[in-house]
Amino acid sequence: EIVLTQSPATLSLSPGERATLSCRASQSVSSFLAWYQQHPGQAPRLLIYDASNRATDIPARFSGSGSGTDFTLTISGLEPEDFAVYYCQQRSNWQVTFGQGTRLEIK
Amino acid sequence: QLQLQESGPGLVKPSETLSLTCTVSGGFISGSNYYWGWIRQSPGKGLAWIGSIFYSGSTYYNPSLKSRVTISVDTSKNQFSLKLSSVAAADTAVYYCCRLPAWVGGMDVWGQGTTVTVSS
Repeated sequence: EIVLTQSPATLSLSPGERATLSCRASQSVSSFLAWYQQHPGQAPRLLIYDASNRATDIPARFSGSGSGTDFTLTISGLEPEDFAVYYCQQRSNWQVTFGQGTRLEIK
Repeated sequence: QLQLQESGPGLVKPSETLSLTCTVSGGFISGSNYYWGWIRQSPGKGLAWIGSIFYSGSTYYNPSLKSRVTISVDTSKNQFSLKLSSVAAADTAVYYCCRLPAWVGGMDVWGQGTTVTVSS
């Protein structure tokens, strides 16, 4: 099983700042890496797929990068609605795993 | 616009079988470019993949649940279903159904989720 490790566990920032979230895979997942945002009581929302492609209707302030084992989600200019939990997810040989999540909270 | 809706009992007794259905509206489940999946989230915890199915019936399961899980599809009803046998308190969770495009690694459409509690 491919293990995804996200860091930090919690990130405290102010609106307008830049957020950088990390996801590291225990072995290469090529570019099959996605990022999700989840607000309390809601289903996750796909932000980024294939490491760097924004999903439909996702604002340009969200960007993804990386390949192989190291990936980054960057949120440039945090908006109030961006404070949530973020998960990375990989699909390799049709086996899917998620990271444990990063909580982005208001400082 | 494609929508997914989970349905099923909200309370299941220990050792019994959990059964949920996901109804797909605004599109067809038999499209050749999509898989369909189940994800769960235990209270206060992260996301866990349960398994995925293609409209033809090909399935992929989480190895840790494989012995207890069955996912099936009914194209005539535009639905797919989850059965999880021998449930215990640890299976208490919000269960989501979702769509997985075959050409990308992510899940682009999600149901709202349904809470299932395992308790006597």
